[in-house]
This record gives sequence, structure tokens and C-alpha cells, in this order.
Amino acid sequence: QKEVEQNSGPLSVPEGAIASLNCTYSDRGSQSFFWYRQYSGKSPELIMSIYSNGDKEDGRFTAQLNKASQYVSLLIRDSQPSDSATYLCAVNQGNNNDMRFGAGTRLTVKP
Amino acid sequence: GAVVSQHPSRVICKSGTSVKIECRSLDFQATTMFWYRQFPKQSLMLMATSNEGSKATYEQGVEKDKFLINHASLTLSTLTVTSAHPEDSSFYICSAMDREYIQYFGAGTRLSVL
Repeated sequence: QKEVEQNSGPLSVPEGAIASLNCTYSDRGSQSFFWYRQYSGKSPELIMSIYSNGDKEDGRFTAQLNKASQYVSLLIRDSQPSDSATYLCAVNQGNNNDMRFGAGTRLTVKP
Repeated sequence: GAVVSQHPSRVICKSGTSVKIECRSLDFQATTMFWYRQFPKQSLMLMATSNEGSKATYEQGVEKDKFLINHASLTLSTLTVTSAHPEDSSFYICSAMDREYIQYFGAGTRLSVL
């Protein structure tokens, strides 16, 4: 079982819709959770971090964490073509330097 | 967010030469930095974890004599690809971890070995 699992996609949504990206992790003791966005040919950039159960909103992005289900998700409201990218879920397994990345979900937002 | 600078952004070199890539954390101190490589349309692959003042920890299958890592200060780590060959051509990305264990990535270095 992979430590951090994501559906590779591609996930395709129409412009203006909500894109929902999901991630599960195996280490129940994980404490920090991150979403990165990576455009084609570029390096990843941090878009959200979440540490507690529940929702965290930042603009059009909402991260959701459920530690009991070992599940973290990212919702993108009012999706734009510029949101088309690969989204990487990352999990820090103990507030140390051991961060594990998922393989990423490729999102395409169609005009 | 924190800024990580990576240079050069692109290198084209002849087979057999060595290439040095620098990674700097510009506005924070990074005890730990990471080096990744990524092939087209593939996932990030962690190569090594670089800790300031100590030897790097390499992932299984990564040759430490081939990919030399030096982390001499809290703001600078370097990766040297020694005797580069065409199969080393890839996108190399560094990241630096801040005190809250968040990784910030450099812009990446695209290496092409002829």
C-alpha cells in the first residue's frame, strides 16, 4: 500500500464548476497535510496546509481533513482554465523532515 | 510564502562533464533541504535529504558518488552531477524545509546532457 494515494486522473471539469481532489494516507500518526500545485514543466508551489480536522478555506480553495478516515481533500470552487495543473498531496508523518508526496492528480478545467 | 532560489534554471552540457546546481533559502534558515528529480509526465522522485553540517541521506538506488550533495550552511545546498551522461538528463528540483516542517520548492533546473 502506498503511503499517500491519489487518483492520477485526469480529472476534467467545466469552467465554473467545483473540482474535488482526494488523497488518502496510511500513517494514522500523520500530523501535517499539504496541497501543492504543479504546472507542466514547473516546480510545485504550496497552496494549502491543514493540521486539524475540518475545513480550511483560502479564497477559492478549501482543504478538508478527516484524520479518523485518513483522508484529506482539496476543493476548488469556480474552477478556471488556469487551475489546470497537477495537484500533489503531501503528508508529514510526525512533525519532522519525513514528508511523503502522492503521485498527483492531473486536473483539466475546460473553458 | 518563503522563497527558495535555484540556479541555474537550465543547463546544456557535454557528456562527461560535471554540473553543479545551487539551492538557496532566501528568507529563512533551512536545516533540511531535499533534492528531487522528475522525468516528463512522471511523479517527483526524492533523491536525497540534505542536512546542514552532516552527510546527505540518499534514497535507495541513487548513487551518492554520482550525485554529490553539500549542505555547508543553513541557507545553501548544492547538488553536483558528476560525469553526466545523457541518461542523467532530467528536471532537478530542490526544496527547503522551514521550522514548521513545510517544504518550499525552488524553480527547478532542467539538465540536458548531449
